[in-house]
Parts: sequence; C-alpha cells; structure tokens
Amino acid sequence: GESVGLHLPTLSVQEGDNSIINCAYSNSASDYFIWYKQESGKGPQFIIDIRSNMDKRQGQRVTVLLNKTVKHLSLQIAATQPGDSAVYFCAENLASGGSYIPTFGRGTSLIVHP
Amino acid sequence: EAEVAQSPRYKITEKSQAVAFWCDPISGHATLYWYRQILGQGPELLVQFQDESVVDDSQLPKDRFSAERLKGVDSTLKIQPAELGDSAMYLCASSQDTGGEKLFFGSGTQLSVL
Repeated sequence: GESVGLHLPTLSVQEGDNSIINCAYSNSASDYFIWYKQESGKGPQFIIDIRSNMDKRQGQRVTVLLNKTVKHLSLQIAATQPGDSAVYFCAENLASGGSYIPTFGRGTSLIVHP
Repeated sequence: EAEVAQSPRYKITEKSQAVAFWCDPISGHATLYWYRQILGQGPELLVQFQDESVVDDSQLPKDRFSAERLKGVDSTLKIQPAELGDSAMYLCASSQDTGGEKLFFGSGTQLSVL
C-alpha cells in the first residue's frame, strides 16, 4: 500500500551546522503534512506543519519544504543544537471515512555532536 | 501547559495475561488516538475516536485488542491475552478536531510481554 518513508535513518551533525531531514511520500492525494520530534522516552512532539497549497513554511529555526512534483518533504533545522538530538518523523494525513488518519513514516535519528 | 496523561508508564506481564492502559486527553479535545510504536519504527495507528465513537479501528487486532471511550473523555485500551509480539510502546494522542492536525501525545506505556 501507499506509505510515508524516510531516506536516511541516521544523521550526524556538528553543533551549529544546519540539518536537513528528508521524507518521501507516495500518496498524491495527501494535502497536509506534519513533522514531529521524539526524544528518548517521550511521545512525539509537533514541530511544524504544511498544507499542499504551500511550498515552504518557516518556524523558529525550522523550515519545511514541500515538493509535490516529486512527492518530497524536508525539514531544515538551522544552527543545530545538542537539544535537537532526537528522532524526527514526517506524517501525512490520509483521508478515511470523512476524517483524517495521521500516518507516520519510519523516522530519522538526528545526532548532534557538541 | 495541558498534557495528555497515560498510565501506567511501564508494564511487564506474562503472555496470555490481560493488560490495560489508560489515557486522559487534553480537556476539550474531541479526537483521541491510540498508536503502537515498535522500537526503531514510527507510530502505527490502532484506533481513533471522535468523542465516544470509533472513527477508525481497521488496524486494531480485534481478536485480542479492545478500546473504549465511554463518556467521550478518557479511554482504555485492553489486550487479552497478551502475546510476545505485543511488546511495544503504546501511545495515546489527542487533537481538537478530526482533521488530524497537531496531535498532542502522552509519554506512552512501555509494555514488555515475557
């Protein structure tokens, strides 16, 4: 079936560098995407979202880019800090019987070295 | 800041025993989700409630799993009998509407079946 997936399972960066985490999706009908951050022992935490009528959305130190042509989503973290170390998931909303089911990909582990 | 409450935090049980997990969503959140997360993977939806009604339970193994949200507030997820393969993190999340937007997750219940 169609699914959301990630290219890189682990990303290691130095503190202060910019990080880019990628995600591929296969459901062309998806119109809403979310990035979550999950720290060890905790539940996922909302970071930023984007709708399909947008190409880019910026938050505090984070930017999400959406390329609908190639069904690709990315999360950019500026000036990465040790506190950014976590697993990052992209999720897409799949329509199901009048509501939406948030469906998660595998995740990418971000490791920030001081 | 309001949080999704889950208990217990950890549960160890023997196979064939019954286990139950409890979740109290953020006050006013109509939609409640139960996800299962296996180590190294993204959360997978088990069941979604809108108030007291089930919206989607297509991925819930109904021969052994059951979920209820009788008064449309807190919810219980039960497994009977537990199997070794049920060992995972069980996450509860809530959101204000059915659009799958911005889920708030609890810290989860880590289940180990021996």
